[in-house]
Amino acid sequence: KQEVTQIPAALSVPEGENLVLNCSFTDSAIYNLQWFRQDPGKGLTSLLLIQSSQREQTSGRLNASLDKSSGRSTLYIAASQPGDSATYLCAVRNADAGGTSYGKLTFGQGTILTVHP
Amino acid sequence: DVKVTQSSRYLVKRTGEKVFLECVQDMDHENMFWYRQDPGLGLRLIYFSYDVKMKEKGDIPEGYSVSREKKERFSLILESASTNQTSMYLCASRARSSGNTIYFGEGSWLTVV
Repeated sequence: KQEVTQIPAALSVPEGENLVLNCSFTDSAIYNLQWFRQDPGKGLTSLLLIQSSQREQTSGRLNASLDKSSGRSTLYIAASQPGDSATYLCAVRNADAGGTSYGKLTFGQGTILTVHP
Repeated sequence: DVKVTQSSRYLVKRTGEKVFLECVQDMDHENMFWYRQDPGLGLRLIYFSYDVKMKEKGDIPEGYSVSREKKERFSLILESASTNQTSMYLCASRARSSGNTIYFGEGSWLTVV
């Protein structure tokens, strides 16, 4: 059974700092990994999706890497801002069993990020 | 722009009531999902549907059922609401292709009293 762990559970940094959020998963048979942002009381917003064949994806100040063999992904946030404060979740899409077209997502518990001015 | 709409943001229902949570997506996605999110437990999959009239149980289907009569709409039904179903419910959709991003709605906060 796939398990996803995110470390740290919470992180507080001053504005302007570069930071790294970690995600690890136990079963390397994945199709892709996705990072999300969730603001309090809201749904999840997709940030980056990395296919299993890719090593990294970038969007603006965000860079996500994937090392499938070691079961790890990192989300790097450059020059953090107070508006980055949110919960960040990673989710892996497991490889389909039996060739079906869907793939179950397994989520981590999230990292609560606070960026203070 | 991608849009997953959950019709009710906040609901308060009584124990034993039948509750319908509606979700509509405008992206012609084949796959749709219902999750619940609880503190300390994270997101847990209740049901998913990989196409019209198709459904599969997720990790915690007990006490829930679903309906997918049209491609754009996926309904979650609580047959007889109980207090342990108080939670945030999140609907999501995704295109069939394995590489595609999953998109979430804003969530529905359900309180059962």
